[in-house]
Amino acid sequence: QSALTQPASVSGSPGQSITISCTGTSSDVGGYNYVSWYQQHPGKAPKLMIYDVSNRPSGVSNRFSGSKSGTTASLTISGLQAEDEADYYCSSYTSSSTPLVFGTGTKVTVL
Amino acid sequence: QLQLQESGPGLVKPSETLSLTCTVSGGSVSSSRYYWGWIRQPPGKGLEWIGTISYSGSTYYNSSLKSRVTISVDTSRKQFSLKLSSVTAADTAVYYCARALSLGATAIDYWGQGTLVTVSS
Repeated sequence: QSALTQPASVSGSPGQSITISCTGTSSDVGGYNYVSWYQQHPGKAPKLMIYDVSNRPSGVSNRFSGSKSGTTASLTISGLQAEDEADYYCSSYTSSSTPLVFGTGTKVTVL
Repeated sequence: QLQLQESGPGLVKPSETLSLTCTVSGGSVSSSRYYWGWIRQPPGKGLEWIGTISYSGSTYYNSSLKSRVTISVDTSRKQFSLKLSSVTAADTAVYYCARALSLGATAIDYWGQGTLVTVSS
């Protein structure tokens, strides 16, 4: 099972909105509404930001939102803040013999 | 507040077995609502799901590691464990234990802090 494809980096200025894409296939992203997004600061464990495509866990800022169209899922961060600078990973359930696949990761830089 | 803590050797020799334990506090591993798993991250690289176990012992493994992986749970000790046999340098990574909302780990809502395991002679 290949990793889901994410852009290596995305940047934006404080206050702006950015969108990170996560591209898969009909066997994973396109076939199930089980896409999650994780934020990881350097040296820290990942943190769940979005699950089941667009659901936010309790305590996660509503500046983070998720969506999906076809085989591509997206994470949008609105009102970008310095603390949002981190690596972001998507994941999806898959119909392959390995049920979970992560994305390649995206480094978000706040300019 | 649920907390997970990994423990185990930080250095393992090639061809030997990597063994890690995750201790859960502030919650129970006996709940049927949640699953317990392991994820790893080689230095400077992305995340890789290793496998997940339910409180009753049902497991689901990454097919690329399945022949070498065993995950077990000890509800009385509030612990679950990972064993990875015949390790090589490619198994050097930060290993995270975590709680998942499904056996397929579709959402992982609590993570341990991670422990670096280096495979080297």
